[in-house]
Amino acid sequence: EAGVAQSPRYKIIEKRQSVAFWCNPISGHATLYWYQQILGQGPKLLIQFQNNGVVDDSQLPKDRFSAERLKGVDSTLKIQPAKLEDSAVYLCASTPYDRAATGELFFGEGSRLTVL
Amino acid sequence: AQSVTQLDSHVSVSEGTPVLLRCNYSSSYSPSLFWYVQHPNKGLQLLLKYTSAATLVKGINGFEAEFKKSETSFHLTKPSAHMSDAAEYFCVVSEPTGFQKLVFGTGTRLLVSP
Repeated sequence: EAGVAQSPRYKIIEKRQSVAFWCNPISGHATLYWYQQILGQGPKLLIQFQNNGVVDDSQLPKDRFSAERLKGVDSTLKIQPAKLEDSAVYLCASTPYDRAATGELFFGEGSRLTVL
Repeated sequence: AQSVTQLDSHVSVSEGTPVLLRCNYSSSYSPSLFWYVQHPNKGLQLLLKYTSAATLVKGINGFEAEFKKSETSFHLTKPSAHMSDAAEYFCVVSEPTGFQKLVFGTGTRLLVSP
């Protein structure tokens, strides 16, 4: 089966510009996550969706980050305006509804953002 | 809050020798613990998980981990390293919310030399 698809794989922008990342989860997976992985650190959860509803966005910097999952399938993460400290790999993951409680997530390859 | 500490940022072994990646956890509850692996330019993949059924957990590719409550540890081991094991390994603890929230450690990079 196809894995979690993310695009773009790489993006370089100037600070204060905006950027958007797209994620298409594995077909049928109801739960979708966005993680931020800064160099040298472990991934940190930004937002979790169950279908098209938000389950947890407590660590999402809402003044500059936004995310949506229209129709409960693919998702977009936007940063506007970007700061230098937003340089990171943005990981999308998904899992079936009945596996969300098991901790088994399926990750995409990530989108690497460099803010200059 | 739950957290994990990976004691080594880098571990170097020779092919065919044992692997030990160390992880200590902090949890107010009976935790669920995981090891994830990240190969270069690949997505994170679940290696194994502990959910209180058995303290010794076997995972993919010959890896296993032992949950030791008295030591608050969940170390990852493999008897004989293979070149393909070279990757970044993350110890993960889950927070007991309705949908498990994963808290990742900082990672250990495993280097395997011929």
